[in-house]
Amino acid sequence: QKEVEQNSGPLSVPEGAIASLNCTYSDRGSQSFFWYRQYSGKSPELIMFIYSNGDKEDGRFTAQLNKASQYVSLLIRDSQPSDSATYLCAVNIASNYQLIWGAGTKLIIKP
Amino acid sequence: DAMVIQNPRYQVTQFGKPVTLSCSQTLNHNVMYWYQQKSSQAPKLLFHYYDKDFNNEADTPDNFQSRRPNTSFCFLDIRSPGLGDAAMYLCATSRDPNEQFFGPGTRLTVL
Repeated sequence: QKEVEQNSGPLSVPEGAIASLNCTYSDRGSQSFFWYRQYSGKSPELIMFIYSNGDKEDGRFTAQLNKASQYVSLLIRDSQPSDSATYLCAVNIASNYQLIWGAGTKLIIKP
Repeated sequence: DAMVIQNPRYQVTQFGKPVTLSCSQTLNHNVMYWYQQKSSQAPKLLFHYYDKDFNNEADTPDNFQSRRPNTSFCFLDIRSPGLGDAAMYLCATSRDPNEQFFGPGTRLTVL
């Protein structure tokens, strides 16, 4: 069964520090990888996606992909209290229209 | 602004009383999805439409039905809601196999 695993947390990070969120996936055929942010009681919001090995940066966010080790991570620099949310990792396996979702990591940024 | 709209935002129904949730989009995306999400869990895909082609997940209960009368609208019908169907129901759209854009969700309460 194809799976996406995340540590449920909560992960507590001081304001201004780097938050590091990790995700592993089981299917080596996975082709694209997504990070969504979900505030409590709200719907998921796409933050970043990455297709190729290496790093992809967008403002304070960096996605890192290592296909050999089957993990993808999200780094949040200069963490702000507004970054406190659940971060969902999702994986597209065969360029079809379905994503395999992790259960999310709850991130708490402490002022 | 182009968006995904869900109505109602909150729905309270009685055990066994049918309910219909609606989703509309102005993004002109050809793929639409219905997800169920319970607290601290990953979104669970119920169905998706690729244009008019309906795709039902194997483990979606028969109690759940869907209609897509045109590109812009999609409906989720729950024929006989049980207590276990209380959840957030999320509608999402996409134009390609990658990014999915979510509506705000409908919170369903079953009494």
